[in-house]
Amino acid sequence: DTGVSQDPRHKITKRGQNVTFRCDPISEHNRLYWYRQTLGQGPEFLTYFQNEAQLEKSRLLSDRFSAERPKGSFSTLEIQRTEQGDSAMYLCASSPTGQGTYEQYFGPGTRLTVT
Amino acid sequence: AQSVTQPDIHITVSEGASLELRCNYSYGATPYLFWYVQSPGQGLQLLLKYFSGDTLVQGIKGFEAEFKRSQSSFNLRKPSVHWSDAAEYFCAVGVWGGSEKLVFGKGTKLTVNP
Repeated sequence: DTGVSQDPRHKITKRGQNVTFRCDPISEHNRLYWYRQTLGQGPEFLTYFQNEAQLEKSRLLSDRFSAERPKGSFSTLEIQRTEQGDSAMYLCASSPTGQGTYEQYFGPGTRLTVT
Repeated sequence: AQSVTQPDIHITVSEGASLELRCNYSYGATPYLFWYVQSPGQGLQLLLKYFSGDTLVQGIKGFEAEFKRSQSSFNLRKPSVHWSDAAEYFCAVGVWGGSEKLVFGKGTKLTVNP
């Protein structure tokens, strides 16, 4: 069990550019989540996948954000036309499906800085 | 709406002293509660969880938490703090019936003095 991995760990981009982050969940986990964490705050839910289906999106996820999980394994989160307000830590988490398996396991995060 | 309040933004304790971090939640049903720890620049590590049953739950690294339904609280405790416990601690409530997402508090930063 290698845990949840995220790539890149850090990304610096200029305002207006597009960025894409990748998350590889724990291999047997069906559920995958994206959260955003800004300075001094707890993580905030962005979106959720069960296998390849995106089942819920937060109102925080504007039209500039899109997430995919094409084969039910890894996921990507893309931000188009980045803004300074997008600067945050983007966390991915995964969770197995099944009774009594509610805890989520987090990756190390991708820290985005928009200049 | 579901919410979690961690009243203490920053706590400082001396190494070897006891610790209690407060957490209050608002949720209409039976809550599933979690404590996570985050070291600087890192992701979140699960310390412990409460789903049902015994209201005193044990976690990793010598931490425990007590669920008190009457007070809507889930406070985290440790009898003797180590310097390596310095980190940020987040309480979360699980929102089920759909995404099973977590709603987090704003966190409590713990500083440990030698």
